[in-house]
Amino acid sequence: KAGVTQTPRYLIKTRGQQVTLSCSPISGHRSVSWYQQTPGQGLQFLFEYFSETQRNKGNFPGRFSGRQFSNSRSEMNVSTLELGDSALYLCASSSKRGLAVDTQYFGPGTRLTVL
Amino acid sequence: AQSVTQLGSHVSVSEGALVLLRCNYSSSVPPYLFWYVQYPNQGLQLLLKYTTGATLVKGINGFEAEFKKSETSFHLTKPSAHMSDAAEYFCAVTPPGPGGSYIPTFGRGTSLIVHP
Repeated sequence: KAGVTQTPRYLIKTRGQQVTLSCSPISGHRSVSWYQQTPGQGLQFLFEYFSETQRNKGNFPGRFSGRQFSNSRSEMNVSTLELGDSALYLCASSSKRGLAVDTQYFGPGTRLTVL
Repeated sequence: AQSVTQLGSHVSVSEGALVLLRCNYSSSVPPYLFWYVQYPNQGLQLLLKYTTGATLVKGINGFEAEFKKSETSFHLTKPSAHMSDAAEYFCAVTPPGPGGSYIPTFGRGTSLIVHP
């Protein structure tokens, strides 16, 4: 079974631009969560999608958004990029909702650099 | 509100020595607890988790952790370190129970260094 895939793996953007990251979950998984990992703030939960609906959202500004398609693939978008958005963005999928009830499988991440 | 504290950003051990990575949490209700490992340029992999039941939890790669409610701790141990254990380890908590609203909180991570 193929794992979670994220594209692109590396991305360089400049301040003010927007970016879209993609995540393909493990086949059959309906829940996709996104995380931001930085040296300064560590790992932080961004949001979770399940059956095309956002179920939970972390404490991030509205510049961060996402969506999930009917095939469970998910995209996250960051508009008006800031230098502080430079991070590793991780996607994780699970068959059911909630970290408490089901194991999340993580992708390798997308390394975003904002110049 | 919940929080996680991992004592020691770096832990160094010799190959074959005991590994002990510390995690303390703060939560208004007993949470579910997790340990993840992250190798360079990779995502996180679940090592083990505690939800309910036996407080000593065994995970993959010979790791185990014990939930101690009185000490609000969930320390990760391995009897004998291997070079391949060198990685970043994260402790995480989430409110208990299925469904509903949850947001996981992660510790800042502990880098395990294994010397030959």
